[in-house]
Amino acid sequence: QTVVTQEPSFSVSPGGTVTLTCGLSSGSVSTNHYPSWYQQTPGQAPRTLIYSTNTRSSGVPDRFSGSILGNKAALTITGAQADDESAYYCMIYMGSGIYMFGGGTKLTVL
Amino acid sequence: QVQLVQSGAEVKQPGASVKVSCKASGYTFITYNMHWVRQAPGQGLEWMGIINPNDGDTSYAHKFWGRVSMTRDTSTSTVYMELSSLRSEDTAIYYCASEKSGTYFLEYWGQGTLVTVSS
Repeated sequence: QTVVTQEPSFSVSPGGTVTLTCGLSSGSVSTNHYPSWYQQTPGQAPRTLIYSTNTRSSGVPDRFSGSILGNKAALTITGAQADDESAYYCMIYMGSGIYMFGGGTKLTVL
Repeated sequence: QVQLVQSGAEVKQPGASVKVSCKASGYTFITYNMHWVRQAPGQGLEWMGIINPNDGDTSYAHKFWGRVSMTRDTSTSTVYMELSSLRSEDTAIYYCASEKSGTYFLEYWGQGTLVTVSS
């Protein structure tokens, strides 16, 4: 069965740039998978960041951007801030009404 | 403003069933699909399934086939998720999240419902 893959953890310095990726164990992620990205801090419901590969959700700062890099979806944070320290999840539309989340990336800002 | 308000926490014994509700307001109920997502303690998000409130059509993650049922009541703008044959591994926070039909992303989230399975 196909699995959605993400880096388990990543660290970035304040003000730095980091790119998190979202791939498939079998095949490539494309715009036809409508990749979306969610941010979650402990004890909170997820917050929608990016949808349809690269569209920012309402109120999301423009330091967050989405793209396809090679065969993966990517979330780039430019000018990382302390409150960007969170878990980040991608979600992929697999077709036939089925969706899958990646395992999530825990981002540390230090 | 859009709100998804979920029912309260539940404690269930192994083998029992649980039914969680999610009441939507602030938008036209039948124009947004409703997804259910769960998160076990210390773990990631897991997509469970989706219901189209307009016609009741559902799709479920293969892992939950035969154990999950999603229904809706258009008169009260409420969606329900029932999970049966509960086991300890089903202990998790269950979220409903709405998707404007055809947009393929989770735009609005409920506050979550903690379901604890314990004898």
